[in-house]
Amino acid sequence: EPEVTQTPSHQVTQMGQEVILRCVPISNHLYFYWYRQILGQKVEFLVSFYNNEISEKSEIFDDQFSVERPDGSNFTLKIRSTKLEDSAMYFCASSETRTGTYEQYFGPGTRLTVT
Amino acid sequence: AQKITQTQPGMFVQEKEAVTLDCTYDTSDQSYGLFWYKQPSSGEMIFLIYQGSYDEQNATEGRYSLNFQKARKSANLVISASQLGDSAMYFCAMILNTGNQFYFGTGTSLTVIP
Repeated sequence: EPEVTQTPSHQVTQMGQEVILRCVPISNHLYFYWYRQILGQKVEFLVSFYNNEISEKSEIFDDQFSVERPDGSNFTLKIRSTKLEDSAMYFCASSETRTGTYEQYFGPGTRLTVT
Repeated sequence: AQKITQTQPGMFVQEKEAVTLDCTYDTSDQSYGLFWYKQPSSGEMIFLIYQGSYDEQNATEGRYSLNFQKARKSANLVISASQLGDSAMYFCAMILNTGNQFYFGTGTSLTVIP
């Protein structure tokens, strides 16, 4: 069964450093998403991406964050200068369409620890 | 603003018993989808069940069923015949047909007791 994959599974970085989290969505999916989950809290939407551009973003997704689809398979989330409060689990997801009738398939997540 | 409320931070259930996890939602949109995801201690998000706002029948997927009461804006998850492997966090989520982001609840931690 096709699945969303994410690398690395765990990333430790120092405050102020740049990190890139990588995702490979399901191959025939067109919509891609990033979410984050601070430990013990709910999952929060960051950004959605379609047709090589951001289609929706939350207030969390400020200038520190950027997304890119550098080739036909990868979807990346970059945090330019990490802060302690960026420590969280980051989930990538993809879906076939944008309507609510299709589920978003989540990857296993990348745990980011900022020290 | 869209909102999902899960009022039960933690629940316990005896193995083989049924359990209901509560979820209420708030939206002025008429067209939306409701989802339940399971998050085991390993952290991944596992899709369980989906209910569309126009679906007249309650969704069922194996041991999972969704008790959808549109007038009350509730979408409770019912797990029948609980198993030890059901112990996990459960998140209710909503997506509007006019957008493409999920709104998640705060989750319910379910513990199945042998």
